[in-house]
Amino acid sequence: DADVTQTPRNRITKTGKRIMLECSQTKGHDRMYWYRQDPGLGLRLIYYSFDVKDINKGEISDGYSVSRQAQAKFSLSLESAIPNQTALYFCATSAEWSSYNEQFFGPGTRLTVL
Amino acid sequence: GEDVEQSLFLSVREGDSSVINCTYTDSSSTYLYWYKQEPGAGLQLLTYIFSNMDMKQDQRLTVLLNKKDKHLSLRIADTQTGDSAIYFCAEHRTDKLIFGTGTRLQVFP
Repeated sequence: DADVTQTPRNRITKTGKRIMLECSQTKGHDRMYWYRQDPGLGLRLIYYSFDVKDINKGEISDGYSVSRQAQAKFSLSLESAIPNQTALYFCATSAEWSSYNEQFFGPGTRLTVL
Repeated sequence: GEDVEQSLFLSVREGDSSVINCTYTDSSSTYLYWYKQEPGAGLQLLTYIFSNMDMKQDQRLTVLLNKKDKHLSLRIADTQTGDSAIYFCAEHRTDKLIFGTGTRLQVFP
């Protein structure tokens, strides 16, 4: 079984709809992250959380919100989706105790906003 | 600037060496990384280097770090078709990773 899972894997939606992307992990890590990937722009950090009560904005948080429901779950919401939020979204985790801060990625969610 | 920069594409013949280059921004980064993304998958850590090292070798992979120029490179010896992927460099900056734009490596026979 995968250590970091994301649902859904693919989603097509319309402008103005509310969308939630979910991430679950079985690695026991405290730290979780949401990124989006766009061609030619690499990965950009949207939000990150270092424990259940900690939420931090990344470089591109506008138009997004997150919820850390438990240590193992971190959800990303688009309150009112717009076409330029069409992208590949990745969740990642890392361990506070890791000496070199490796991040472990989920398989991604491809989101298309029409 | 704030960006971690990489060239977007590299094409090599099977069996040749590949060299992927990266320029990072934060001279205080403690670790620098190379991640690999295969088609339809998330990123996986390929290798990393601690900032007090100049070179790290791991089987077919050689990482070179030039701190003065803030330049990181990844050399893949005897490149195989299975090495075709997108390669991201990343720097560790204030408890976060800052990723480059990614280099798409295409290996042809």
